[in-house]
Amino acid sequence: DAKTTQPTSMDCAEGRAANLPCNHSTISGNEYVYWYRQIHSQGPQYIIHGLKNNETNEMASLIITEDRKSSTLILPHATLRDTAVYYCIVRVEGANSKLTFGKGITLSVRP
Amino acid sequence: NAGVTQTPKFQVLKTGQSMTLQCAQDMNHNSMYWYRQDPGMGLRLIYYSASEGTTDKGEVPNGYNVSRLNKREFSLRLESAAPSQTSVYFCASSDPAAETYNEQFFGPGTRLTVL
Repeated sequence: DAKTTQPTSMDCAEGRAANLPCNHSTISGNEYVYWYRQIHSQGPQYIIHGLKNNETNEMASLIITEDRKSSTLILPHATLRDTAVYYCIVRVEGANSKLTFGKGITLSVRP
Repeated sequence: NAGVTQTPKFQVLKTGQSMTLQCAQDMNHNSMYWYRQDPGMGLRLIYYSASEGTTDKGEVPNGYNVSRLNKREFSLRLESAAPSQTSVYFCASSDPAAETYNEQFFGPGTRLTVL
């Protein structure tokens, strides 16, 4: 699976959009981009995933560049409860396709 | 549904002791996973089971054994605990055949300290 690069940390104000970047310049054509988050002391939680089209669900939006070498996770209206470590992961689909977690980006939402 | 449950929540062992971490899921998932997370680090895969009756090594399997007891349960055993195994252990499950096959569901974790 391709490696990803994320900043170590970022912060944003409550109620504003949080834009979390991720670089995955060696991504293969059959690899998807996934985002998980981990709130302190809890197990990771799936947020969203995509292949090449932009995706949106009730939690977030995922914007993937046309060359697929980078992506941005957008939390449209960040709340204090969104303070967490966010992991960007690329993986191939399939029954034995495993998640490889890096260190992620720590998002701090300030009041 | 309870999702993924893990027992115990906390455990302190002495070097050389053995123990088994239990994991169960009630989502009828085929695949189950064990990860460990050291302070300030991401999760690392220890073992996984793609389906009942099969297990495979992950990134850091040394010092651990696993048993896929049935479709619901996947246990992790430390035969002779070492201080380097002090960590938080997470169990997860997924089902490639389901609509949510992309998603792994995680348990709350077991916090293990080996003295």
